[in-house]
Amino acid sequence: NAGVTQTPKFQVLKTGQSMTLQCAQDMNHEYMSWYRQDPGMGLRLIHYSVGAGITDQGEVPNGYNVSRSTTEDFPLRLLSAAPSQTSVYFCASSPGLLYEQYFGPGTRLTVT
Amino acid sequence: AQRVTQPEKLLSVFKGAPVELKCNYSYSGSPELFWYVQYSRQRLQLLLRHISRESIKGFTADLNKGETSFHLKKPFAQEEDSAMYYCALRAEGNTPLVFGKGTRLSVIA
Repeated sequence: NAGVTQTPKFQVLKTGQSMTLQCAQDMNHEYMSWYRQDPGMGLRLIHYSVGAGITDQGEVPNGYNVSRSTTEDFPLRLLSAAPSQTSVYFCASSPGLLYEQYFGPGTRLTVT
Repeated sequence: AQRVTQPEKLLSVFKGAPVELKCNYSYSGSPELFWYVQYSRQRLQLLLRHISRESIKGFTADLNKGETSFHLKKPFAQEEDSAMYYCALRAEGNTPLVFGKGTRLSVIA
């Protein structure tokens, strides 16, 4: 049981490049979410999903896309990276919105 | 919209001293409040939630609806308590967590 896994751990992108941050969980959790963590800003919700095929926007969704084709995976796509997207990204999952969230180890992204 | 405020970015205390990490919220309904902690090089994890009313690692937090606060307290700080602490709120219904900006606790030996 690996819990919540995220890949890659580190990534450097140039402005305008695209990439996908991967998130997977093996706990059969319905709820998954993506946060970004910035100094002085805390954790801000980007997108979340309450189940396969269902996604919704969080507080800071602009510049990011998500999809949820399976219960296990919840990838986060940056279509055209910008320096403002330099951050640490955390994926989390839980059995439902009303339960404790389990976080992944994070992906540190730098956009130059 | 609901909001969580943690007024201190950094809190430094000496080992053995009492600790209070402040958390205030704005929400007109009945919220559910949490404290999450991130130790160095570890994942963010749940420390405690107000509905369980339990003490975890010596920490307690009481929801004060009159003052809209959920301060985290520990009578005697330990060096291993040094970490980043986030207060979070869930509004009624199926809504995602809203986090505060976090407080970094540094316990000095």
